[in-house]
Amino acid sequence: GESVGLHLPTLSVQEGDNSIINCAYSNSASDYFIWYKQESGKGPQFIIDIRSNMDKRQGQRVTVLLNKTVKHLSLQIAATQPGDSAVYFCAENGGDNFNKFYFGSGTKLNVKP
Amino acid sequence: GAGVSQSPRYKVAKRGQDVALRCDPISGHVSLFWYQQALGQGPEFLTYFQNEAQLDKSGLPSDRFFAERPEGSVSTLKIQRTQQEDSAVYLCASSPDAALIGNQPQHFGDGTRLSIL
Repeated sequence: GESVGLHLPTLSVQEGDNSIINCAYSNSASDYFIWYKQESGKGPQFIIDIRSNMDKRQGQRVTVLLNKTVKHLSLQIAATQPGDSAVYFCAENGGDNFNKFYFGSGTKLNVKP
Repeated sequence: GAGVSQSPRYKVAKRGQDVALRCDPISGHVSLFWYQQALGQGPEFLTYFQNEAQLDKSGLPSDRFFAERPEGSVSTLKIQRTQQEDSAVYLCASSPDAALIGNQPQHFGDGTRLSIL
């Protein structure tokens, strides 16, 4: 998708609420997807992944949903905590098996105490 | 260390200077990747190594960018005759053998923030 430059989409939620972060991916050949969390000054940190033969995968407090028909991913975070505040990126592999990823432009999650 | 280590963490250079950025991947990781991340954007792929072989350099923006991994472990990204548009965070990531295992999460370092004056 298009870059939003300095103006990242921002999602503000209250501590304890559930968060849903959405991502539209671009390549219908992509068959592996990852959600990363990036805190200021840090590198991306793996949260959860999903392969195209699944439409839902759950981790600890996180769930990823994949809708291949509309090329859409979402990340659900249950009982959001202040420590969840960060920028979240989805990444797709473009159908490539050599682990090269294409990242979205990110969503900033702001958790209010 | 247990993670991917990058140095320096910050680099300031004048336009026209050459810079070298270092990446120490996780021990035993065969696959190594470099990404460029502009402010407010997601990382963009630059290049990929499988051991010492550079298998994909399609993301390198120009011939001023050069990467190497001569012994299949530490990698260096070099930028010659730097320009202001080179200012970005340069991220390194590693993973176990991507060719053997296929897709899997990459482990990222904290990056080098490069500022060109």
